[in-house]
Amino acid sequence: GQQVMQIPQYQHVQEGEDFTTYCNSSTTLSNIQWYKQRPGGHPVFLIQLVKSGEVKKQKRLTFQFGEAKKNSSLHITATQTTDVGTYFCSSGSARQLTFGSGTQLTVLP
Amino acid sequence: DSGVTQTPKHLITATGQRVTLRCSPRSGDLSVYWYQQSLDQGLQFLIQYYNGEERAKGNILERFSAQQFPDLHSELNLSSLELGDSALYFCASSGGYTNEKLFFGSGTQLSVL
Repeated sequence: GQQVMQIPQYQHVQEGEDFTTYCNSSTTLSNIQWYKQRPGGHPVFLIQLVKSGEVKKQKRLTFQFGEAKKNSSLHITATQTTDVGTYFCSSGSARQLTFGSGTQLTVLP
Repeated sequence: DSGVTQTPKHLITATGQRVTLRCSPRSGDLSVYWYQQSLDQGLQFLIQYYNGEERAKGNILERFSAQQFPDLHSELNLSSLELGDSALYFCASSGGYTNEKLFFGSGTQLSVL
């Protein structure tokens, strides 16, 4: 499977601050997906990016896929306590879907 | 509710024992994936089935095995359990043959004492 590295591992922000997590690969990715896992919960699909340079928005969340399709980012504007959780990127060939190690976001009220 | 059902939710057992985890995918989904998540760890891909056939294998130990039945439900069998096998085991399903949006179950928390 295609390996993806995710940074940072942990992020603490004050409520209202922005947050960004990055997903990087040494090889070209066919696509990338983002998932959110709330504490004590299961991963929930957020979005899939397929095209080079693609940008998608979901309310305060902005997802980008790099031009070279080797990296991706998830940016949250003005974080809220409901954004708490671990954000995973995933990618893979048709044979295997690999998840990054995740970024655990803590939002301080 | 993702539509993926995993049972049991919690399992406590002793080292050396064997357990079976069960997963029912969303209605209509043909692919089932199994993942292991240890404390503060990411999601480790174990194995994928598509319409009853094994399709991809990840870092699955030889002590672990899985299968998908004609009704598309899947079982993950863990044998000769060790303390290090304690983890949250997730099942996920998707509709297609290639990787796409996965729907995760709520997981089975396995504790090996």
